[in-house]
Amino acid sequence: GESVGLHLPTLSVQEGDNSIINCAYSNSASDYFIWYKQESGKGPQFIIDIRSNMDKRQGQRVTVLLNKTVKHLSLQIAATQPGDSAVYFCAESIGYFGNEKLTFGTGTRLTIIP
Amino acid sequence: SAVISQKPSRDICQRGTSLTIQCQVDSQVTMMFWYRQQPGQSLTLIATANQGSEATYESGFVIDKFPISRPNLTFSTLTVSNMSPEDSSIYLCSVGFPRDRETQYFGPGTRLLVL
Repeated sequence: GESVGLHLPTLSVQEGDNSIINCAYSNSASDYFIWYKQESGKGPQFIIDIRSNMDKRQGQRVTVLLNKTVKHLSLQIAATQPGDSAVYFCAESIGYFGNEKLTFGTGTRLTIIP
Repeated sequence: SAVISQKPSRDICQRGTSLTIQCQVDSQVTMMFWYRQQPGQSLTLIATANQGSEATYESGFVIDKFPISRPNLTFSTLTVSNMSPEDSSIYLCSVGFPRDRETQYFGPGTRLLVL
């Protein structure tokens, strides 16, 4: 089936620096994307989403960029903090009514170095 | 935001036994899903729990192994039947709300170890 993948399985970033987590998707029909954060021992937590009619969306300290031409998604975290250490997953959906299933990427472990 | 809870939070079970995991939401939802997350891996969808009808299973998952119930709009159960050590995983439920069917919110997960 279609797959969503990540370029880097691990990423270490100095506290205070910005981090960028990348995701490649293969289903050109996907039109809705979500980033989740999963801390150790917890369920995935919604961070931010974006629809295919947008290229960029910003939240609090986070920005998601979507490049449909190369089927690439990225999550930028500004001024990283120790609490940002977690595994980050991208997920995609075709998004039409009755088929709201998500396909998850492999995940990237982000470690913030104090 | 809604509170999604799962019971039990963790369990250690013997091979050949079955475990039923509960997922409870404090408000009505349209969609409920069950995922498996094996150690150090991503999430794999097991099935969509349909209210009032049989669950819709993904490829590789069958009802006999993972029976699912969804008696109402706030509750669902997943049973892991005739367990083997390969079933050791985190089992997660997620929900989608009427206002936004596509976005899924997750429960805390059930950590299962099968000996």
